[in-house]
Parts: sequence; C-alpha cells; structure tokens
Amino acid sequence: ILNVEQSPQSLHVQEGDSTNFTCSFPSSNFYALHWYRWETAKSPEALFVMTLNGDEKKKGRISATLNTKEGYSYLYIKGSQPEDSATYLCAFGTSYGKLTFGQGTILTVHP
Amino acid sequence: NAGVTQTPKFQVLKTGQSMTLQCAQDMNHEYMSWYRQDPGMGLRLIHYSVGAGITDQGEVPNGYNVSRSTTEDFPLRLLSAAPSQTSVYFCASRMQGNTGELFFGEGSRLTVL
Repeated sequence: ILNVEQSPQSLHVQEGDSTNFTCSFPSSNFYALHWYRWETAKSPEALFVMTLNGDEKKKGRISATLNTKEGYSYLYIKGSQPEDSATYLCAFGTSYGKLTFGQGTILTVHP
Repeated sequence: NAGVTQTPKFQVLKTGQSMTLQCAQDMNHEYMSWYRQDPGMGLRLIHYSVGAGITDQGEVPNGYNVSRSTTEDFPLRLLSAAPSQTSVYFCASRMQGNTGELFFGEGSRLTVL
C-alpha cells in the first residue's frame, strides 16, 4: 500500500491570509502528482496534474510545486477567500495506472 | 455533457443483500475506478480498470466485484453487503496514463443495516 500523507489535517485561516499545505509521497516509481479540490456536497475537481520534478502550476490565486526527488508537493493559496473553503486532496500516480489519494487537508476560511 | 453518471445516489441495504452500483461515462475514457470515502480516511481505491476486459484490485477490494465489458460502463457489485461497507462511493474516469485528471461522478451513499 502506497503511503501518501497530507498535512495539516485541517486548517482555519482568516479571509485574506495566505496558506499552504503539504503532500508527501514515495519518491520511487513516480509518474504523476494530482491535486483536487473537494467542496462539501460536491465531487472532487482537478486543480493540477504535475509530472516533472520542479514543476510549478498556477490557477488564479492557487499554485503548486513538485519535488519528486524528495517526494513532496506544496499547494499554496494566496489571499484566501471564504469560497476557498474545501478539502484539498493530493493523489500519487504510478506508471501502471493506479492513483492513490492522501487523506486531505480541510481548509476553512473565516470572513 | 453527462460526464460520469452514477446510480443510484442513495441506497439502504440489509446485511447479506446484494446490489450493483452503476457507473457510466461518455468521454471515451480508458481508465475507470471506484473509490470509497469514509470519515478521516480520504478516498480509498477499491478496484480500477485500464480498459475493457481489464480490471485490477485497489487498496480495499474485499467484498466487491467489478467487470468491464465495455469502455463506457464499470459496475461495482456487492455480493453480500456488510455494515462495514456503509460509505459514500465515487466512480471516476480519465484518459489512459497518469497525466490526465480524474473526472468524478456525484457519489452514491450506501447504508447497510
């Protein structure tokens, strides 16, 4: 069983704060690292898929970095808004197709 | 666009009953998978398929069967439901290879009494 760890488990921030979370994954047999956003009562939706060491992706106020050699990825949110409140999931992909998810980081942004 | 369609959305079973959760996608995705979501456990992979006729086990396959006779459909069967299978189930699909994002269905909430 692949070990994909996310930290922290939950996070409370004030509107306007910037924040970041971590996803740790095995450094061997790496193929891709996915980030998903999961709002309550909805289905997870993809934010980023990263495949190369040193990859940086950005979508609006959200960005992500990838270090495959040491096995971690960071997700950053700049100037958090209440609508950013959600669970953020990372998933580790291997070459044979399986995607293994971490437990998620629950973000709550207070107005 | 329909995307990934799961049925039923809600189901209550008694211990020992059998049922099938249906999943269909209209995006011609080769890869399809089933996850279960339990509090504090994230999404755990039950079974997955990389194409018609090919299935494989995920992290928590016990108590579940799958088949993939067509590219579009990937049903999940519970042969003898147990209370431990009370969960929310998500079907997801993507293009072949790990660089494509997963597209999720809306989820099916199953309660086993």
